[in-house]
Amino acid sequence: AQTVTQSQPEMSVQEAETVTLSCTYDTSESDYYLFWYKQPPSRQMILVIRQEAYKQQNATENRFSVNFQKAAKSFSLKISDSQLGDAAMYFCAYRGPNAGKSTFGDGTTLTVKP
Amino acid sequence: DAGITQSPRHKVTETGTPVTLRCHQTENHRYMYWYRQDPGHGLRLIHYSYGVKDTDKGEVSDGYSVSRSKTEDFLLTLESATSSQTSVYFCATEDGPHQPQHFGDGTRLSIL
Repeated sequence: AQTVTQSQPEMSVQEAETVTLSCTYDTSESDYYLFWYKQPPSRQMILVIRQEAYKQQNATENRFSVNFQKAAKSFSLKISDSQLGDAAMYFCAYRGPNAGKSTFGDGTTLTVKP
Repeated sequence: DAGITQSPRHKVTETGTPVTLRCHQTENHRYMYWYRQDPGHGLRLIHYSYGVKDTDKGEVSDGYSVSRSKTEDFLLTLESATSSQTSVYFCATEDGPHQPQHFGDGTRLSIL
């Protein structure tokens, strides 16, 4: 079974600085998708960024980018120019070719200090 | 964003009672999911559906059943609730494996 590991339960960053959240996964599939979701205190789950495994180019969405290392099964999220509104819990998620292969990590709580 | 409505938003009930949570979507997405979220465990998949009347178990399915009689509705039932099922439950929909999941606002369920 696939697993997703977020090794940092908590992280903090100074406003305007850069922070990287780690995620590793284990799978035997060759075709899959990876996502980062954000969950603020409101409890809503919001998509931050996604990556297709067949694409070598790292995905970027404004201040958010990923470092996707397929061979190492690593999918880290970099947040540049951190803002107070970035404070939330961040989840890394794996989606395999079948619907049942949808796995989330345990989350990283990000604190942004003014 | 996908219109996903979970009901009820909050529920308190007693051990041994049946409980049904409802998820309703307006986006005609094929896939629907039920997760539970507990401190330290992230989101864990309970059951999922890949079409009307097509459902399957996730990693934490014991004590739960689901039904999907229409594309837009996905019901999660706890036949006889236990205190270990106290959790926040999220419904999600998805248009395909290459698309992100869209989540409802969650249901906070407390079983006393």
